[in-house]
Amino acid sequence: QVQLVQSGAEMKKPGSSLKVSCTASGGTFSTYAISWVRQAPGQGLEWMGGIIPVFGFETPHYAQKFQGRVTITADEAVSTAYLVLSSLRSEDTAVYYCAKMYYEVSTGYHDAFDIWGQGTMVTVSS
Amino acid sequence: QSALTQPASVSGSPGQSITISCTGTSRDIGGNNYVSWYQQHPGKAPKLMIFDVSYRPSGVSSRFSGSKSGNTASLTISGLQAEDEADYFCSSYTSSFTLVFGGGTKLTVL
Repeated sequence: QVQLVQSGAEMKKPGSSLKVSCTASGGTFSTYAISWVRQAPGQGLEWMGGIIPVFGFETPHYAQKFQGRVTITADEAVSTAYLVLSSLRSEDTAVYYCAKMYYEVSTGYHDAFDIWGQGTMVTVSS
Repeated sequence: QSALTQPASVSGSPGQSITISCTGTSRDIGGNNYVSWYQQHPGKAPKLMIFDVSYRPSGVSSRFSGSKSGNTASLTISGLQAEDEADYFCSSYTSSFTLVFGGGTKLTVL
């Protein structure tokens, strides 16, 4: 059973940077296409970026809104994906989720997320 | 990339059917068959209910179905049950090789 376990809640000052980790267990991490999705309090889901398998696993794609401010990396040796978000502002206060793209042996990857981390609450405040 | 448009809320009585719409553009919903739907209960992570417009992952009830026409996708829940009360989000792949979510719909079971 694949699980994604994220790092704990964070309190950050405006202008600082955030790093959230997402550690996988129960499967083959090298085949996981991980994305990061955030949810501001009482708001909807927002895709920030992630691996789009059709382009390979080396280079993540990012939502235009976060271009230049977000970096997504992965360390296969420890089965962990990371999200780094810089120049934090109060509007970045949200729950940050990592999510694994749905994969079926017979049909390959699908642009949907079947396994989610538990979420990491990030509060940006002076 | 703007968020997909969903109604803020829908409601229905137990046993009834409801449909939630999700409207996008030709650059997302209208341009591919990679629409998915998620259910989210308060304080929980989202759960995948539908992928590729109309396919259910293993373990998801057949009461949940999806469809698409032009730039609008729909999620239908038949035989409403109390545990279906939750927020529902649609998502679509886009022509910019990104993903976009809808604003979410709160389902109330009366």
